[in-house]
Amino acid sequence: GIQVEQSPPDLILQEGANSTLRCNFSDSVNNLQWFHQNPWGQLINLFYIPSGTKQNGRLSATTVATERYSLLYISSSQTTDSGVYFCAVSGNTGKLIFGQGTTLQVKP
Amino acid sequence: DAGVIQSPRHEVTEMGQEVTLRCKPISGHDYLFWYRQTMMRGLELLIYFNNNVPIDDSGMPEDRFSAKMPNASFSTLKIQPSEPRDSAVYFCASSLFRGAGGYTFGSGTRLTVV
Repeated sequence: GIQVEQSPPDLILQEGANSTLRCNFSDSVNNLQWFHQNPWGQLINLFYIPSGTKQNGRLSATTVATERYSLLYISSSQTTDSGVYFCAVSGNTGKLIFGQGTTLQVKP
Repeated sequence: DAGVIQSPRHEVTEMGQEVTLRCKPISGHDYLFWYRQTMMRGLELLIYFNNNVPIDDSGMPEDRFSAKMPNASFSTLKIQPSEPRDSAVYFCASSLFRGAGGYTFGSGTRLTVV
């Protein structure tokens, strides 16, 4: 099956700093999503981005499907950005496979 | 749309008891997924359905776990008998064909077996 690797596993930032999270996947995919799991455990969809670039406020994401990676960029980080960021992909089977996540802590 | 609805939000039960988790997917979505999240194993896919039919249950840990989808608007995940190692957060998600447009997750059920 498709393997998903995220890096870094942990990240500590000072408020206001920028960061880039990476997701590598082992095979061609039909779908790729970035999720933020908040302190209450909810999985919040950030981007549905099987290819190309999208932006939403301080967050943006880029997926280069031919090279099998995606990047999530957080600018001017805030303490509310803390939590776990997951990348998840699916191929022709429709099964959504998650990476192990990046745990982000933003300090005031 | 109200999104994917799961119930209960929290469940505490004694070892050996039967536990039933419920999920209502988004209307019109063809696919329904059950995931389990633990610290040790992360987010694992347990089983998924397409048009109410189970497609892949290879992630179901053992025979104590069963899942059904009697119609397009309802699914259950049952654990009988429950064990302390089943304690986890269980998520339900739904999507259109092959995930077109993305997958939507419910708020999860936090299960504690004592």
